[in-house]
Amino acid sequence: GQNIDQPTEMTATEGAIVQINCTYQTSGFNGLFWYQQHAGEAPTFLSYNVLDGLEEKGRFSSFLSRSKGYSYLLLKELQMKDSASYLCAVYRNTDKLIFGTGTRLQVFP
Amino acid sequence: GAVVSQHPSRVICKSGTSVKIECRSLDFQATTMFWYRQFPKQSLMLMATSNEGSKATYEQGVEKDKFLINHASLTLSTLTVTSAHPEDSSFYICSATHSGRGETQYFGPGTRLLVL
Repeated sequence: GQNIDQPTEMTATEGAIVQINCTYQTSGFNGLFWYQQHAGEAPTFLSYNVLDGLEEKGRFSSFLSRSKGYSYLLLKELQMKDSASYLCAVYRNTDKLIFGTGTRLQVFP
Repeated sequence: GAVVSQHPSRVICKSGTSVKIECRSLDFQATTMFWYRQFPKQSLMLMATSNEGSKATYEQGVEKDKFLINHASLTLSTLTVTSAHPEDSSFYICSATHSGRGETQYFGPGTRLLVL
């Protein structure tokens, strides 16, 4: 079977740093994606990790540990527009993306 | 680059009618297209995977006779919800992979279907 867990909701303050965790159990693991989804819109690509370690891209960074089945998305210098759902998705060797339930992040001024 | 469009963005129909949703890759040829469904406050659930010129592969529990997928070209896939019922009301999202960009899926803006 497969299981992807993320916190359901998180809150943070504008300008702060927030870390969204994702743990997974799956066979045929080929990488992990993070997507951002604003309410009523389609997901937009943020990052893709295949190897262990940290990938930094501007204000967003993503980390992967394959041995621990663990990833996180780090958002720095939070802005109001970062309020959205953040979806962790495992890419399997069957060419499929399996999505977690998503973490709804609310940024307050 | 890697823009995916969907049409219509929103549709309301009567129970028992069929609805067709188009998914187009605008500036690239899509190796594979995927169809997802998302209920309110839930994550995306993969319905089917389609490749141009071949039959779609449906996920377990998805009725292929109810959700007809046609992948006519490398830039167009259509999903037809046949004999729609209120429980089919959902957000339908397609995605596509770009042959030059590996595994990353690029998502369309979604189609909100409401069946009365």
